[in-house]
Amino acid sequence: QVQLQESGPGLVKPSQTLSLTCTVSGDSFSSGDYYWTWIRQSPGKGLEWIGYIYFSGTTNYNPSLESRLRISIDTSKKQFSLQLDSVTAADTAVYFCVRDRFDCTGGPCFYYFDYWGQGILVTVSS
Amino acid sequence: DVQMTQSPSSLFASVGDRVTITCRASASIVGHLDWYQQKPGKAPKLLIYGAYRLYTGVPSRFSGSGSGTDFTLTISSLQPDDFATYYCQHSFSLPRTFGPGTRVGVK
Repeated sequence: QVQLQESGPGLVKPSQTLSLTCTVSGDSFSSGDYYWTWIRQSPGKGLEWIGYIYFSGTTNYNPSLESRLRISIDTSKKQFSLQLDSVTAADTAVYFCVRDRFDCTGGPCFYYFDYWGQGILVTVSS
Repeated sequence: DVQMTQSPSSLFASVGDRVTITCRASASIVGHLDWYQQKPGKAPKLLIYGAYRLYTGVPSRFSGSGSGTDFTLTISSLQPDDFATYYCQHSFSLPRTFGPGTRVGVK
């Protein structure tokens, strides 16, 4: 059974860097069938896709966050991480790490978020 | 970006009711539409992917339909465990975007 677990500080000061790590258990981390993804949820903006990293290190980011964002991966530790620079109160949210599976068997590829971490609340405040 | 809307934003129903939630995309997403259920304090759970494909372990009372820009999630007979918020999300292109959610509450 795949499990994802977020870790990191729950409070970050404005203008500083938000850093989170997701640890994955189970046997799928280096499989080519998944994108390792960050999604956040805030009352004001709902669910927002932040970006993903592939096991090879290829990334794709939400354009609205791209200039402040870096996602990295450590396959030896089965971890991937998020760094978001210059945070403001608008970055206050519950951050989820998620497995984005793509299934290309028998036709067009379908992508879906099949495993989620429990989420971690990050508050940006002085 | 493809924007997603949902209607209604909330509804109130009784156990045994048939419930329908609508999702609309701002441009055609063909059949790349997923549905999630979320309960307070928990992560969303996948119900349907590819517009109508039931995810493993999801009860058959849940079904999805639609293509292009208009999609529907139906719960054929609402159960006590189904009171929750439901989100649609497109997987046609990047960035993936979610609808604002539909809360299903107790009548």
